[in-house]
Amino acid sequence: GDSVTQMEGPVTLSEEAFLTINCTYTATGYPSLFWYVQYPGEGLQLLLKATKADDKGSNKGFEATYRKETTSFHLEKGSVQVSDSAVYFCALSRSSNTGKLIFGQGTTLQVKP
Amino acid sequence: DTAVSQTPKYLVTQMGNDKSIKCEQNLGHDTMYWYKQDSKKFLKIMFSYNNKELIINETVPNRFSPKSPDKAHLNLHINSLELGDSAVYFCASSHPTLQETQYFGPGTRLLVL
Repeated sequence: GDSVTQMEGPVTLSEEAFLTINCTYTATGYPSLFWYVQYPGEGLQLLLKATKADDKGSNKGFEATYRKETTSFHLEKGSVQVSDSAVYFCALSRSSNTGKLIFGQGTTLQVKP
Repeated sequence: DTAVSQTPKYLVTQMGNDKSIKCEQNLGHDTMYWYKQDSKKFLKIMFSYNNKELIINETVPNRFSPKSPDKAHLNLHINSLELGDSAVYFCASSHPTLQETQYFGPGTRLLVL
């Protein structure tokens, strides 16, 4: 079945460091891919998305490129801030507009001043 | 202005009890969801409703019964609570034409003793 695998956390970085959180997926066809973020004590919110191969999603300095050849959607940010500390979830949706999201296990990011 | 709200925020109860969690959204969305997040932060969809009609039911025990009195509300009733039901339950909603962009509530932390 469809699945999403993320790198194990927690990831601990100093402020202004470069961030990469790896995400790979298994799915038939051409899924849409998403990154959601969960700040402490809050629900998830959509960070960025890409709907077809080679698309790049970006928001708030974060980027991720849909790589069909490597079935990956790695999240990157050039310079993290303390306020980026959160849990990041990679997700896919295989069928268009069904609302069924399949999430990875989440990666906790801690950014220290 | 809270977009997706849930009550209660915390729920501590004994095994065997019946409890309900309420969810309301003021975004005008037609589709609403319930997710379960376990202690390892793994997030899985349980149900989705579109305009009061059940769309997704992900092999959840029938002790869990969603109820949608109108399209702005989706409540979750749980009968005969078990220890394994302890988790954080998130409600979410989405626009019918953009269902993968979901707006999550703050979550209800359920602890079954």
